[in-house]
Amino acid sequence: EDQVTQSPEALRLQEGESSSLNCSYTVSGLRGLFWYRQDPGKGPEFLFTLYSAGEEKEKERLKATLTKKESFLHITAPKPEDSATYLCAVALSGSTLGRLYFGRGTQLTVWP
Amino acid sequence: DGGITQSPKYLFRKEGQNVTLSCEQNLNHDAMYWYRQDPGQGLRLIYYSQIVNDFQKGDIAEGYSVSREKKESFPLTVTSAQKNPTAFYLCASSSSNRVGNQPQHFGDGTRLSIL
Repeated sequence: EDQVTQSPEALRLQEGESSSLNCSYTVSGLRGLFWYRQDPGKGPEFLFTLYSAGEEKEKERLKATLTKKESFLHITAPKPEDSATYLCAVALSGSTLGRLYFGRGTQLTVWP
Repeated sequence: DGGITQSPKYLFRKEGQNVTLSCEQNLNHDAMYWYRQDPGQGLRLIYYSQIVNDFQKGDIAEGYSVSREKKESFPLTVTSAQKNPTAFYLCASSSSNRVGNQPQHFGDGTRLSIL
């Protein structure tokens, strides 16, 4: 059973159409939640770390938020260059320090 | 520029052959990781190492082996025992932190295929 679930699996947006991606986790004891962006044929690129409920981080058109059981990645007025797969990962207390558990990702396509 | 270098970018394996994927980092990170990525699946952990000369199995270690003789290097060998090696392999590293987890930083991967 997946410990990290991302939804939707795929999302198509028109340029400028804001939306949100979801990452939910089923385990307790969150040590940290991480968002990555991955372009085709490339390794994931780190975006944000969130450590506690209520925390928010922003970078350009992206804003990540965290509650006790899920995180959202809000994309405001997206552009075609925001098209990528967005991955969420969690670090859990009680597991090996440094170990991350990844979701399957949301593939975002932004068309002009 | 500091970063993680994986080589080669593409690799082909013949039946019964062992192949080694290279991963080098100049970020001075203690911890290094190997993941396998298949279409429609999340990253799955193969092996990880938190310090030189020490490493642990991840969730899918069967058919793989690693070494960690230097801080900068963490090569992965895909052995002939791995019957389904075709995948995208990613190497990552992170700094050690006892308070909270630090993000992992990734290389650009090696795509392995069977001939």
